[in-house]
Amino acid sequence: AQSVTQLGSHVSVSEGALVLLRCNYSSSVPPYLFWYVQYPNQGLQLLLKYTTGATLVKGINGFEAEFKKSETSFHLTKPSAHMSDAAEYFCAVRRPGGGTSYGKLTFGQGTILTVHP
Amino acid sequence: DAGVTQSPTHLIKTRGQQVTLRCSPKSGHDTVSWYQQALGQGPQFIFQYYEEEERQRGNFPDRFSGHQFPNYSSELNVNALLLGDSALYLCASTLPGLAGTSAGNEQFFGPGTRLTVL
Repeated sequence: AQSVTQLGSHVSVSEGALVLLRCNYSSSVPPYLFWYVQYPNQGLQLLLKYTTGATLVKGINGFEAEFKKSETSFHLTKPSAHMSDAAEYFCAVRRPGGGTSYGKLTFGQGTILTVHP
Repeated sequence: DAGVTQSPTHLIKTRGQQVTLRCSPKSGHDTVSWYQQALGQGPQFIFQYYEEEERQRGNFPDRFSGHQFPNYSSELNVNALLLGDSALYLCASTLPGLAGTSAGNEQFFGPGTRLTVL
């Protein structure tokens, strides 16, 4: 079974400061990894994903994440926070490959990011 | 190009009732997944439909059932509603991937249906 742990249900930063949202996963095989953002009263929007290849992936809105297999981590970062980044962020995993494994995304509990002026 | 659409936006039901939620996938997408997001929690996978068949199911009771139509739209049905079924129900659609799989393809999410059970 796969699981995702997001450390810190709430993270608060000042505008212009570094954003770091932590995600650790548990999986019997290296999974595909995703970060989604959810604004109030909206669905989820994909920020970035890792499937294969380069372990540092860049996403939208200046976010990036690095897959570290040895640490089973996929932390999300942004060098300089903007007020518009305030939202809830979810890390998710999915088993690679086809068959019945490819449908299910397993999400973490979410981290609410607050950005102070 | 319209994204994933869901209806209704909000719904209030009482315990024991039945509810049907609807989802239209993004244009060109043939696979639909449903998730339940309780307040303060991450989304939980309910099931996925492809070619009008339930392809994979999460840990949800049989009270939760679904259907996919030939035009790829989908319905989620919940019978005998419980207070604990109150949640945001999200639908996501995916492009078909190589060889019919969609492992790495992005799931595009709709805005959700907020169900309140009183």
